[in-house]
Amino acid sequence: EAGVTQSPTHLIKTRGQQATLRCSPISGHTSVYWYQQALGLGLQFLLWYDEGEERNRGNFPPRFSGRQFPNYSSELNVNALELEDSALYLCASSLELTGASTDTQYFGPGTRLTVL
Amino acid sequence: AQSVTQLGSHVSVSEGALVLLRCNYSSSVPPYLFWYVQYPNQGLQLLLKYTSAATLVKGINGFEAEFKKSETSFHLTKPSAHMSDAAEYFCAVSAGGGGADGLTFGKGTHLIIQP
Repeated sequence: EAGVTQSPTHLIKTRGQQATLRCSPISGHTSVYWYQQALGLGLQFLLWYDEGEERNRGNFPPRFSGRQFPNYSSELNVNALELEDSALYLCASSLELTGASTDTQYFGPGTRLTVL
Repeated sequence: AQSVTQLGSHVSVSEGALVLLRCNYSSSVPPYLFWYVQYPNQGLQLLLKYTSAATLVKGINGFEAEFKKSETSFHLTKPSAHMSDAAEYFCAVSAGGGGADGLTFGKGTHLIIQP
């Protein structure tokens, strides 16, 4: 069974540009989470999508947005890029059948975003 | 709200020695606790999780963790370290009620294995 996949592996942008990151969840998983892993800041929760809806977001500005498609894949958009947006962006998926936090999140390999 | 504290950003042990990675949590509701491992330039892999069943949880690769409510701890152990265990380890907590807040991670502990 294929795991969570993310593309691209690496992305280089300049300040002010927009970045689009993509994630395909494990087959059958309906929930997708996005996390930012920035140097010195650790892993921080960004967004949660379930059944096509944004369910919650972490403490990030509105220029971080995304969506979930009918096939449950997701994309994360970061507008007006800033230097401090440079980080590894991780996507995770889970079943969320019961709506319980016991549903394990399975992570993809991440997209390394570098903002110059 | 919940939080996680991992004691020691770096832990060094000899090959064959006991591995002990410390994690303390804070949660206003009964927590669900996880340990993930991250190898260089890779995503996170689940080692084990606690979901209010048995307090001693066994995971993959010989790791286990014990939930101690009185100490608000969820330390990760492995009896005998192997060179392949060298990686970054993250403890995470999730409150009940669905994935609303995502996972809250600790800062991570870099495990170094000395030959």
